[in-house]
Amino acid sequence: EVQLVESGGGLVQPGRSLRLSCAASGFTFDDYAMHWVRQAPGKGLEWVSGISWNSGSIGYADSVKGRFTISRDNAKNSLYLQMNSLRAEDTALYYCAKDHYGSWNYAFDIWGQGTMVTVSS
Amino acid sequence: QSVLTQPPSVSGAPGQRVTISCTGSSSNIGAGYDVHWYQQLPGTAPKLLIYGNSNRPSGVPDRFSGSKSGTSASLAITGLQAEDEADYYCQSYDSSLSGSNVFGTGTKVTVL
Repeated sequence: EVQLVESGGGLVQPGRSLRLSCAASGFTFDDYAMHWVRQAPGKGLEWVSGISWNSGSIGYADSVKGRFTISRDNAKNSLYLQMNSLRAEDTALYYCAKDHYGSWNYAFDIWGQGTMVTVSS
Repeated sequence: QSVLTQPPSVSGAPGQRVTISCTGSSSNIGAGYDVHWYQQLPGTAPKLLIYGNSNRPSGVPDRFSGSKSGTSASLAITGLQAEDEADYYCQSYDSSLSGSNVFGTGTKVTVL
């Protein structure tokens, strides 16, 4: 069964850091690009970051550039998102998603269930 | 702020046909980048509904269809069913600045 399972969310104070993880199974992880997409409570979807199959190409939304870092470990079938200098507006459900291809600019064909990040003092 | 604009809501009676528009610009849809559509049922993760403008993944009913023209795209749902009540989002790639994936503003479909 193709599956993505996110972890690492929680309550964190503004200015602190958090690291999200996504464990993939059921497909050849190192063939595909991966993404993080977030959804603030009651709001729409926002693409956060994407990474190509071999980590050779990475993209970020302007809202997180310079604060968030995406990475992957193909040996462990895992995707990560290091989030620094967190702000209240980063509060959202963070989804891990698989790209249809190896580059990070196409469609997201598999989604995890998400992990909630709440930034509050 | 999203660069792809969708109507906030559309509605229809069971069995009817509804369409959702997705309007972009010359740096995304108009530049030739493909449009993809997602369905998000209440309380669940999004699901890919249409990719590459008009292709349906395995398991998606043929009641759902997509098209693209110029700087816009559309999702059509024919034979509307109660289980189609959900939020729908379009998505594409935008080549402005350093490039990014972008989602539409989202459309709530209500089955009357």
